[in-house]
Amino acid sequence: QQPVQSPQAVILREGEDAVINCSSSKALYSVHWYRQKHGEAPVFLMILLKGGEQKGHEKISASFNEKKQQSSLYLTASQLSYSGTYFCGTGSGSARQLTFGSGTQLTVLP
Amino acid sequence: DVKVTQSSRYLVKRTGEKVFLECVQDMDHENMFWYRQDPGLGLRLIYFSYDVKMKEKGDIPEGYSVSREKKERFSLILESASTNQTSMYLCASSPLGARLAEAFFGQGTRLTVV
Repeated sequence: QQPVQSPQAVILREGEDAVINCSSSKALYSVHWYRQKHGEAPVFLMILLKGGEQKGHEKISASFNEKKQQSSLYLTASQLSYSGTYFCGTGSGSARQLTFGSGTQLTVLP
Repeated sequence: DVKVTQSSRYLVKRTGEKVFLECVQDMDHENMFWYRQDPGLGLRLIYFSYDVKMKEKGDIPEGYSVSREKKERFSLILESASTNQTSMYLCASSPLGARLAEAFFGQGTRLTVV
């Protein structure tokens, strides 16, 4: 069962902030975040693990609320390069399966 | 760098044809995945494999099968292609324990069934 992402799309100006949410009806062990630019493969951003351990890169951060089975991705002071579709992926149950949400299309305008 | 290579970027096939989509990874990853990407629906898992000859159904396995005879290669098979299988297909791989590790994606195969 796919996690639910919101919003579906967001448009913002360079320098503005955005939050993308991901929620699941299943108990989560981990949440992954990926970004896909048009015509390219999705690229890993970070993993958040149950228990609070966090990995990441660039200047994008995320939180993981285990009790609510939710994660949020925070993009602060957006840059033009942040444009793309963001997917959250959730790991639960089987250690092998990674299930993705429907994506959030982020457009950063100059 | 990890590389996941899909054999074709674009394919056009006729209804009823048997279609093979090939994926090769060069990092000795145990896990390999096939996803289908459609507008508004995101990435939906078709099948995944955690070892040679081992496979598990994902969320939308109907109309598809897979083969993994070698660790580095994972094939998606459309037994009898239909127009509703027109889509972008993405292959991915990850080390053991997919929920803990980064997945690496191929460039995708855009399949059109006419």
